Amino acid sequence: DVKVTQSSRYLVKRTGEKVFLECVQDMDHENMFWYRQDPGLGLRLIYFSYDVKMKEKGDIPEGYSVSREKKERFSLILESASTNQTSMYLCASKPGLAGGYNEQFFGPGTRLTVL
Amino acid sequence: TQLLEQSPQFLSIQEGENLTVYCNSSSVFSSLQWYRQEPGEGPVLLVTVVTGGEVKKLKRLTFQFGDARKDSSLHITAAQPGDTGLYLCAARSLGTGANSKLTFGKGITLSVRP
Repeated sequence: DVKVTQSSRYLVKRTGEKVFLECVQDMDHENMFWYRQDPGLGLRLIYFSYDVKMKEKGDIPEGYSVSREKKERFSLILESASTNQTSMYLCASKPGLAGGYNEQFFGPGTRLTVL
Repeated sequence: TQLLEQSPQFLSIQEGENLTVYCNSSSVFSSLQWYRQEPGEGPVLLVTVVTGGEVKKLKRLTFQFGDARKDSSLHITAAQPGDTGLYLCAARSLGTGANSKLTFGKGITLSVRP
């Protein structure tokens, strides 16, 4: 079974802190994604990566950065957390071409609260 | 960015009832997927449709892709409490490159009462 794990299920941080969200997948997938999910707004893509050290901006990259030093790990970084970044963060991975029809496999999510 | 409109936004029904929910857009898609998300978990893929007019069945769930590839429907027969969850449609545009993105709708929250 494909497994996508996220480092924390729940996280509480203070405004201005640097926050790292980690995601690891165990199926050698080329592509990895970070989304945030908010009530009434659905899933919105923050960043994605189709190869090690490669990254592409999604629809809402402002205030975030990412790192992919190894194929199995994709990190989302909030350089200076703000209250409007309180959200559910979902990581996903996908085999094959980033634009192909293959299934995206999601992690369980990290619920981040910024106070 | 294309918009995917899902309707209805919320649906609460009794066990055993049938229901149909929709995913609509003014854009044409190369493919469309339906995911289900249960509370506290990430979304899980139910189906991928690619061809206009395509119908796929997954036990009591029937998925249809519109002839023009702009819309899709999900019909559930004899709903059960285990069908409760958030149903998300996600679509990929025509003519985009290898690094194209999947756009998600806002989801339909379904509650099936025993």
